Amino acid sequence: GDSVTQMEGPVTLSEEAFLTINCTYTATGYPSLFWYVQYPGEGLQLLLKATKADDKGSNKGFEATYRKETTSFHLEKGSVQVSDSAVYFCAFGVNTGFQKLVFGTGTRLLVSP
Amino acid sequence: DAGVTQSPTHLIKTRGQQVTLRCSPKSGHDTVSWYQQALGQGPQFIFQYYEEEERQRGNFPDRFSGHQFPNYSSELNVNALLLGDSALYLCASSSGQGMDEQYFGPGTRLTVT
Repeated sequence: GDSVTQMEGPVTLSEEAFLTINCTYTATGYPSLFWYVQYPGEGLQLLLKATKADDKGSNKGFEATYRKETTSFHLEKGSVQVSDSAVYFCAFGVNTGFQKLVFGTGTRLLVSP
Repeated sequence: DAGVTQSPTHLIKTRGQQVTLRCSPKSGHDTVSWYQQALGQGPQFIFQYYEEEERQRGNFPDRFSGHQFPNYSSELNVNALLLGDSALYLCASSSGQGMDEQYFGPGTRLTVT
């Protein structure tokens, strides 16, 4: 069935370190792919998205590339900040005329000064 | 422009009771989706409403029901509460039958004792 697998956290980094959070998915067809971020006590915010193979989504220094051949959508950032500490969710959209989102379990990122 | 709003913020109920959660979508949005996020997990799709009808449903029992009003706001009802229903309930709104970006509210934290 449809599912998303993310690397387990927490991921602990020092400020200005390089970040990679791995994400792979199992889905039929060619879904749209998303990264959402959840700050403490808040709802989900869309961080970036990609809608077709080889598309690169980017926002706030974060990037992810839609890799159809490996069914992956890894999140990267060249230099993390303390303010990036949050939980990151990889997701894809299942389209049946209407779109629902399928999420991974989330990866907590902790950035220390 | 107000985003997605949800009420109440927190709720404590006893097993067997019934609960109603409310959601007002972002201005201009006509589709509302509900998700359940258990502690430490990713959101799970419950159902989606468009034009006052349930359009698709996730793997949740009939104890979970909903409604959408003419002004596009929505309610989630859960009957015969179980301890396992304790979770953060997220509402997401969108246009284009959910095919456009889904904007999430801050959620309602339900605790069942």
